[in-house]
Amino acid sequence: GAGVSQSPRYKVAKRGQDVALRCDPISGHVSLFWYQQALGQGPEFLTYFQNEAQLDKSGLPSDRFFAERPEGSVSTLKIQRTQQEDSAVYLCASSLVTSGRWRSTDTQYFGPGTRLTVL
Amino acid sequence: GENVEQHPSTLSVQEGDSAVIKCTYSDSASNYFPWYKQELGKRPQLIIDIRSNVGEKKDQRIAVTLNKTAKHFSLHITETQPEDSAVYFCAAASPSNAGGTSYGKLTFGQGTILTVHP
Repeated sequence: GAGVSQSPRYKVAKRGQDVALRCDPISGHVSLFWYQQALGQGPEFLTYFQNEAQLDKSGLPSDRFFAERPEGSVSTLKIQRTQQEDSAVYLCASSLVTSGRWRSTDTQYFGPGTRLTVL
Repeated sequence: GENVEQHPSTLSVQEGDSAVIKCTYSDSASNYFPWYKQELGKRPQLIIDIRSNVGEKKDQRIAVTLNKTAKHFSLHITETQPEDSAVYFCAAASPSNAGGTSYGKLTFGQGTILTVHP
């Protein structure tokens, strides 16, 4: 079946502009993660959704970053007033999480990412 | 929070040789350790993972070992091929209880650039 998709694949923004990045997870996947990957580095956690609920946003670097998943499927990561340090690849991942307390962690499947360049 | 260290940062081998990449983690509660392969400009792809209830897992030419006491885990690739050339990332996940359901945000290592020379 279809994997995780993201759009746009590339985005160039002038400093100060707002951007919106979209993630379409694998159908039926409950969990959705956003990661930021700087050049030459490993991905770093930004935020996590379980269905429509944002349960962890501890990795968002500032209040300029906002994420939502209103219907528990598609998610949007919005960055307001972009800065040069926001330039990175933004990766989305989804996983199928079965209900129940302390279940083992499920595999996360990544999208291709959106490469954001802020000039 | 969790901290994952990965070594080496670059690894160059001849085709047919073995390659070993090592990672250490800090959070003793971490219980899931995936390895991802990322080719230039592509998405990270899971190649193998291991959970804390086992010490070793193998899938054809790829194996992962886990030492929970020492808090380190390693990726072993045997009979390397040029198409194995890529960046490899280890990661660790700690169970976090959210609304009664466990989930695990991944903490990644810094990556290893593997080059396999024909």
